[in-house]
Amino acid sequence: EGQLLESGGGLVQPGGSLRLSCAASGFTFGNYAMTWVRQAPGKGLEWVSSIGDAGADTYYADSVKGRFTISRDNSKNILYLQMSSLRDEDTAIYYCAKDAVARNSAWDGFDIWGQGARVTVCS
Amino acid sequence: EIVLTQSPGTLSLSPGERVTLSCRASQSVTSSQLAWYQQKPGQAPRLLIDGASARATGVPDRFSGSGSGTDFTLTISRLESEDFAVYYCQQHGRSPRTTFGPGTKVDIK
Repeated sequence: EGQLLESGGGLVQPGGSLRLSCAASGFTFGNYAMTWVRQAPGKGLEWVSSIGDAGADTYYADSVKGRFTISRDNSKNILYLQMSSLRDEDTAIYYCAKDAVARNSAWDGFDIWGQGARVTVCS
Repeated sequence: EIVLTQSPGTLSLSPGERVTLSCRASQSVTSSQLAWYQQKPGQAPRLLIDGASARATGVPDRFSGSGSGTDFTLTISRLESEDFAVYYCQQHGRSPRTTFGPGTKVDIK
């Protein structure tokens, strides 16, 4: 069974930067689109960014566009989220999630989630 | 952007009861593009249902999904203690810009 493991979370000051990593195992990573979803304390789920299986196509929520960069290394089975110009409202648990269907032209539900990386933006 | 509304916000129920959760979309959603997730405190969400009615691998058959167009339902036929959690619906597929509903919390009466 597949697994995702995030790392890189922590406490950062407003305006700072952080890079999250998500290590994948147990499935053919390069065959699946991947997504970052975040959850602010006590709140619901918010889509942040997605990347196609080959890494060429990237997409961002308006709230993070221009500040966050999603990327992937299919040779290392790792997904990344580079976050810069961080704001208080970026405080959240960040989950990486795997599309349920391989090499699909549509975007699917997420059948595997990581345990989450906590990011706290605070002065 | 498709906005999802879930009702009720919170349900207080007893083990053994039947529960029906509602998810309403601001515009029509293709049935194949509607999913349901369960999230317990301190845990990541878990996919329960995709394509409006297809149970994910390992999901007990007491969970079922139905609906079409703008109205979708998740039913738990008989609540068990491990089912007390928050449930989210999600629309996906039109673009990577997926959206989630605000969630329904099912807690113990």
